[in-house]
Amino acid sequence: GNSVTQMEGPVTLSEEAFLTINCTYTATGYPSLFWYVQYPGEGLQLLLKATKADDKGSNKGFEATYRKETTSFHLEKGSVQVSDSAVYFCALTAGAVVAGKLIFGQGTTLQVKP
Amino acid sequence: ETGVTQTPRHLVMGMTNKKSLKCEQHLGHNAMYWYKQSAKKPLELMFVYSLEERVENNSVPSRFSPECPNSSHLFLHLHTLQPEDSALYLCASSHPGQGAYQFFGPGTRLTVL
Repeated sequence: GNSVTQMEGPVTLSEEAFLTINCTYTATGYPSLFWYVQYPGEGLQLLLKATKADDKGSNKGFEATYRKETTSFHLEKGSVQVSDSAVYFCALTAGAVVAGKLIFGQGTTLQVKP
Repeated sequence: ETGVTQTPRHLVMGMTNKKSLKCEQHLGHNAMYWYKQSAKKPLELMFVYSLEERVENNSVPSRFSPECPNSSHLFLHLHTLQPEDSALYLCASSHPGQGAYQFFGPGTRLTVL
């Protein structure tokens, strides 16, 4: 079946450090891949996406590249800020994008210290 | 402002109580979703409504009962819950056929005593 696995958190970094949050997936067909972010007290927001192999999604300084050969979609940022502290969710849809077929990982908490 | 609101934001209830969670979206979407978010577990999709018709029910216990009276409102009726039902309940909406691009509400933090 389809599934998403993320690295365990929390990830604690100092401001301006480099961030990597690992995400790997299992899927049939050709999934689209997503990163969502949940700031404290808020719902999830779409951060970035990639719909086919070798695509790179980017937004707000975050990047992730769709790697079909390693079934991965790792999230990276070159220099994190305190305001990036949040929970990050990797997700996929497999096949056609149909209602309700987002499959999420368990989330990774990022804590950035000044 | 995400355009998806949920009330109440926090709810504490006993196992014999009956309560309802409310979700409202102002984005013109026609698909709405309920998720359960528990600590250190993936988000669990509970129900999906598309054009006010329930299109998915992921083996959710009958003590959770959804209702979608129109495309802007979604309810989750709760009765005789268990302590393990304590979680953050998230509502989301999207255009039908665009389930990957969901907009989420802030959630209701539910505690069952």
